[in-house]
Amino acid sequence: DTAVSQTPKYLVTQMGNDKSIKCEQNLGHDTMYWYKQDSKKFLKIMFSYNNKELIINETVPNRFSPKSPDKAHLNLHINSLELGDSAVYFCASSQRASNSPLHFGNGTRLTVT
Amino acid sequence: AQSVTQPDIHITVSEGASLELRCNYSYGATPYLFWYVQSPGQGLQLLLKYFSGDTLVQGIKGFEAEFKRSQSSFNLRKPSVHWSDAAEYFCAVGRDSNYQLIWGAGTKLIIKP
Repeated sequence: DTAVSQTPKYLVTQMGNDKSIKCEQNLGHDTMYWYKQDSKKFLKIMFSYNNKELIINETVPNRFSPKSPDKAHLNLHINSLELGDSAVYFCASSQRASNSPLHFGNGTRLTVT
Repeated sequence: AQSVTQPDIHITVSEGASLELRCNYSYGATPYLFWYVQSPGQGLQLLLKYFSGDTLVQGIKGFEAEFKRSQSSFNLRKPSVHWSDAAEYFCAVGRDSNYQLIWGAGTKLIIKP
């Protein structure tokens, strides 16, 4: 059983388009995250969502918007895609406690042409 | 400022040889410490974690890590590496919340046959 699943695995699109990435976790966790991993493998937190509380990273452009229909799902919508948005996006989940390890999905490789 | 340093961008070891990956941190208090592994095309998986108590912690896949407060280090070790250990390894530290985890830049492990 896949614990954290995200779709699609690959996403190729043109500049200016709007796209969404979906994430679901079946671990019963109460907190979900979106991370961006650039070409140098550097990980950057984008958002954290605990129940109805959304924590936004101030450096994330407002073209990126997370949406959580329930605590098992956290989707990422991106408007007006730019070349610099090309990266691998990881969804993760955990319990809220700070010593609770993160469980990651397998990533969505986004390529903007 | 809080930070995590993984001094080695990549390390090459022969199969069967021992391994040590370095992680140094700068943090106001004793943080929670984590090592994650990312296999090619996969998400990150927790190898081990340290919160308190015994400073030598055992993880999955035969890995261990030792917390040294005096050196602000949490180095990852394995006595004998296998070709399947080839991956990217990330050190992470935090305490206040999972959202505020600080990630190292990663060390790529290359295994020579």
